[in-house]
Amino acid sequence: AAGVIQSPRHLIKEKRETATLKCYPIPRHDTVYWYQQGPGQDPQFLISFYEKMQSDKGSIPDRFSAQQFSDYHSELNMSSLELGDSALYFCASSLESGDTEAFFGQGTRLTVV
Amino acid sequence: AQTVTQSQPEMSVQEAETVTLSCTYDTSENNYYLFWYKQPPSRQMILVIRQEAYKQQNATENRFSVNFQKAAKSFSLKISDSQLGDTAMYFCAFTFGGSQGNLIFGKGTKLSVKP
Repeated sequence: AAGVIQSPRHLIKEKRETATLKCYPIPRHDTVYWYQQGPGQDPQFLISFYEKMQSDKGSIPDRFSAQQFSDYHSELNMSSLELGDSALYFCASSLESGDTEAFFGQGTRLTVV
Repeated sequence: AQTVTQSQPEMSVQEAETVTLSCTYDTSENNYYLFWYKQPPSRQMILVIRQEAYKQQNATENRFSVNFQKAAKSFSLKISDSQLGDTAMYFCAFTFGGSQGNLIFGKGTKLSVKP
């Protein structure tokens, strides 16, 4: 069965650079969620989108932005990167309607040096 | 505000034995979901089991079962016949409303299954 695809799997950036993470949800899933998991931490919810509109917002820094496109894939844009942004970034997808859980991608490991 | 607390940072169990991981939560919501996620060394987040708050019957998935005590706001995970592949970080998580992806996680319990 198709799963949530995230790219790239690994990314190394320098401080003050910009990074773009991509997420391709499970086919027919209309909702996408982004999480940040720092080293030794639990995942923290950043933001979610339903039908290309932002549906909920968590602890996402102002330097980050995200959007969902017409094909339902989503991109997380991160600017002015800081060392503290080094983390594992998860995307998850679900069907907003219906009683379904969210499925997680394998994550993108971002290292800021 | 909703919170999820896992009071056991680390636990270990012998292979084939049974282990219980604890989780408590705090919410004023009446309609919510509780989850246990497993995160092995690969860092993939894998759903282990899910419980709807309106269901009184405890959820079960093969060797995994929960003890859901709504009044006490407790949601423990029991792993029976522990296997080496169960070694992982286990996160308890909570969400409310219709969206099951906006999750609040506990700090996790690192489980080691010993041969």
